[in-house]
Amino acid sequence: SYELTQDPAMSVALGQTVRITCQGDSLRGYYANWYQQKPGQAPVLVMSVGNRRPSGIPDRFSGSESGDTASLTITGAQAEDEAAYYCNSRDNSGNHRVVFGGGTRLTVL
Amino acid sequence: EVRLLESGGALVQSGQSLRLSCAASGFTFAAYGMTWVRQPPGQGLQWVAGISGSGYSSYYDDSLRGRFTISRDNSNNVLFLQLTSLTAEDTAVYFCAKDSQNPGYIYDSWGQGTLVTVSS
Repeated sequence: SYELTQDPAMSVALGQTVRITCQGDSLRGYYANWYQQKPGQAPVLVMSVGNRRPSGIPDRFSGSESGDTASLTITGAQAEDEAAYYCNSRDNSGNHRVVFGGGTRLTVL
Repeated sequence: EVRLLESGGALVQSGQSLRLSCAASGFTFAAYGMTWVRQPPGQGLQWVAGISGSGYSSYYDDSLRGRFTISRDNSNNVLFLQLTSLTAEDTAVYFCAKDSQNPGYIYDSWGQGTLVTVSS
């Protein structure tokens, strides 16, 4: 089981907006990061703590946090955004343990 | 350019041990924490272990503590993961990743992974 909860699958029409959420108690103390993973490839960081976008990530990706929920929003989804998206955070036990969400598989229609 | 190259994955029998390596280049290795993340076939990402830049501090997923050991050789820019008492549930692609902090949980560069298959 995962301590960060994500919807297993979502879909979005080409050019539309989709919000992917990540929920868990640890998010009350720590920010979430977001990773994109395409089949057969390594994950790529697309949004980091404080809703910062790494260099090279399109500005259609944005992040937000509220209470125990973090969100990754894609505004104007493109075909190349079809991928699995994972959130991660530090758990709040104080022992530097890290947790990942179960992932959301995004389909762009 | 940051580069991470894992090696050491193999097909092994249940109960055996394995050591994975991750050769790093393109950054000051000792200045950053490093981590191992695994992904069983068709499943999501699971954090395995992390280590500080100096190597003096290491952290583990509770379910794996005692069987897996993370270490690093800062002289040669290599990260290791020693896996012991392997079971079929350890079958996964193992990724090494660079932490943007020391240590933290923002993994800004990843290797392509190495496959460990444990047969029962």
